[in-house]
Amino acid sequence: EVQLVESGGGLVQPGGSLRLSCAASGFTFSSYWMSWVRQAPGKGLEWVATIKPDGSDKYYVDSLKGRFTIFRDNAENSLYLQVNSLRAEDTAVYYCARPGDPGSVDYWGQGTLVTVSS
Amino acid sequence: DVVMTQSPLSLPVTLGQPASISCRSSQSLVHSDGNTYLNWFHQRPGQSPRRLIYKISNRDSGVPDRFSGSGSGTDFTLKISRVEAEDVGVYYCLQGTHWPWTFGQGTRVEVK
Repeated sequence: EVQLVESGGGLVQPGGSLRLSCAASGFTFSSYWMSWVRQAPGKGLEWVATIKPDGSDKYYVDSLKGRFTIFRDNAENSLYLQVNSLRAEDTAVYYCARPGDPGSVDYWGQGTLVTVSS
Repeated sequence: DVVMTQSPLSLPVTLGQPASISCRSSQSLVHSDGNTYLNWFHQRPGQSPRRLIYKISNRDSGVPDRFSGSGSGTDFTLKISRVEAEDVGVYYCLQGTHWPWTFGQGTRVEVK
């Protein structure tokens, strides 16, 4: 059974940083693209970033480039999102997601909440 | 970036009746490989999204056949043939053809 379990969210002050983690199991992690998607409270879904299986290529939504970094550790079956210079508008549930098929997402984690507030 | 526009944004439905959601893209979603990466997701309150449809019309395993997807190019539709109580929630389309991937705003389906 495919499982994606996020962690690392919490309350952080504006300007602060966090590293979000996603522990993957139930599939050959090193063979799959992986993504992060976020959802602000009461709002819609926003795709954040995607990384190739070997980590060689990464794709980001333009508005977050430079502040957010996606990376992975295939030996640990883990996906990460480093988020820096956090702003109030970054407050959201951050989902780890697996693009099992090209151009799509077939599995989602339960999400981890990041709250940016002083 | 490709803009995905869903309509309506709110859809009151009667149980047992059909429902339809439109998703239009600002440019063609036909990929250079010939596929069209248009997906539909359903999200219930407090839950993660669940994929229903991928590549316009392919239903995921376990998705009831009352759900169907259609369309081409820039114009796509999700149809529910007979709405059941468990279908309430928010529906999103997602294009995975062009970077960055983009979602529609969401359509909230609720029982009248």
